[in-house]
Amino acid sequence: SAVISQKPSRDICQRGTSLTIQCQVDSQVTMMFWYRQQPGQSLTLIATANQGSEATYESGFVIDKFPISRPNLTFSTLTVSNMSPEDSSIYLCSVEDFKPLGTEAFFGQGTRLTVV
Amino acid sequence: DAKTTQPNSMESNEEEPVHLPCNHSTISGTDYIHWYRQLPSQGPEYVIHGLTSNVNNRMASLAIAEDRKSSTLILHRATLRDAAVYYCILSYGQNFVFGPGTRLSVLP
Repeated sequence: SAVISQKPSRDICQRGTSLTIQCQVDSQVTMMFWYRQQPGQSLTLIATANQGSEATYESGFVIDKFPISRPNLTFSTLTVSNMSPEDSSIYLCSVEDFKPLGTEAFFGQGTRLTVV
Repeated sequence: DAKTTQPNSMESNEEEPVHLPCNHSTISGTDYIHWYRQLPSQGPEYVIHGLTSNVNNRMASLAIAEDRKSSTLILHRATLRDAAVYYCILSYGQNFVFGPGTRLSVLP
């Protein structure tokens, strides 16, 4: 299993500013995933972050708005740039453990972002 | 990614069994059936997964139809702590695609 720590757990930010969310895993992993969960909604994948390469973004998400860093195999950051109230969501970091009998995903507790 | 269909919400009484259904008629031969749940103010957590055979673990049981086009997550004795959104997900390898899930309410 993997234990994931996210910081901050919550924040209230002014529109137009940026927030960087940190994700720390207690073991080395190849891929890390960032999700967004808008109020009352399910999770939507933002991007996949591999160490040593550019993150791969899903449709509707762009690097200028959500830049991601992946400096090593246990750490990643997601920045929410030039925030607007529509960015108010929970942002979650995830890793996956690939096993012969199926993959298991582990999630952080999430970062609850409110933009005012 | 193959799509799943779940009821929006279900209710159960405490201490009673709960059967959460999931339809996945377009499942491919290599897709595993995963169940995750999200408790209030927490990230999703793994419940159970399977490929073809029924599966049991300490949290739940997973019953998979013979044609694999549907499955049922079984909580044998619901507790108040089991109140959560339950997600049925099909995946082979990476990229878990979350649908709306089923919001389970447990009544004391």
